[in-house]
Amino acid sequence: ETGVTQTPRHLVMGMTNKKSLKCEQHLGHNAMYWYKQSAKKPLELMFVYSLEERVENNSVPSRFSPECPNSSHLFLHLHTLQPEDSALYLCASSQDSDTHYGYTFGSGTRLTVV
Amino acid sequence: GIQVEQSPPDLILQEGANSTLRCNFSDSVNNLQWFHQNPWGQLINLFYIPSGTKQNGRLSATTVATERYSLLYISSSQTTDSGVYFCAPVDNYGQNFVFGPGTRLSVLP
Repeated sequence: ETGVTQTPRHLVMGMTNKKSLKCEQHLGHNAMYWYKQSAKKPLELMFVYSLEERVENNSVPSRFSPECPNSSHLFLHLHTLQPEDSALYLCASSQDSDTHYGYTFGSGTRLTVV
Repeated sequence: GIQVEQSPPDLILQEGANSTLRCNFSDSVNNLQWFHQNPWGQLINLFYIPSGTKQNGRLSATTVATERYSLLYISSSQTTDSGVYFCAPVDNYGQNFVFGPGTRLSVLP
């Protein structure tokens, strides 16, 4: 256990469904991140939150909607996804978004869109 | 943005062997980290190494920032070392890690 917990571990959803991924950190970090890891592609940064404010959004389609209600929790709301969105979604946290000190990943949610 | 290359893409070792993984990057960096992703998908931070050399048990890393490369050494490899090793620099203009394509290591018993 790294201190960053992601749920669920696995998710299968239809293209018309709405679901949410959850990430929780107990490390006292101020920055949280969502990454997408597809087969045969490098990790792609999707969103960065620092002190609950979104500081980066790397041209992610609007069918992915992040939410950071406090510095310990991060959600990724999913709706009308496409099969190519199937991937491992990883959450990470760090002390802050400038130094990235203590960068820690969760175990990921493996998403399959059918 | 910064470009990151890693070599070799795949590596198969017998248990007990040593190996060197290489990361080349295209621009100056103010941060560089090495991560290990185990076969179950968990990514672990191995080293923060923007320059110089660090050692942690059987692993060590060296970054030569002026020549834009970093090396990860694994000595006396074990089956638990299997997985994918990622190099992730942050360039002097950016704020976030840019992950390389990774080196997939398989250590056979």
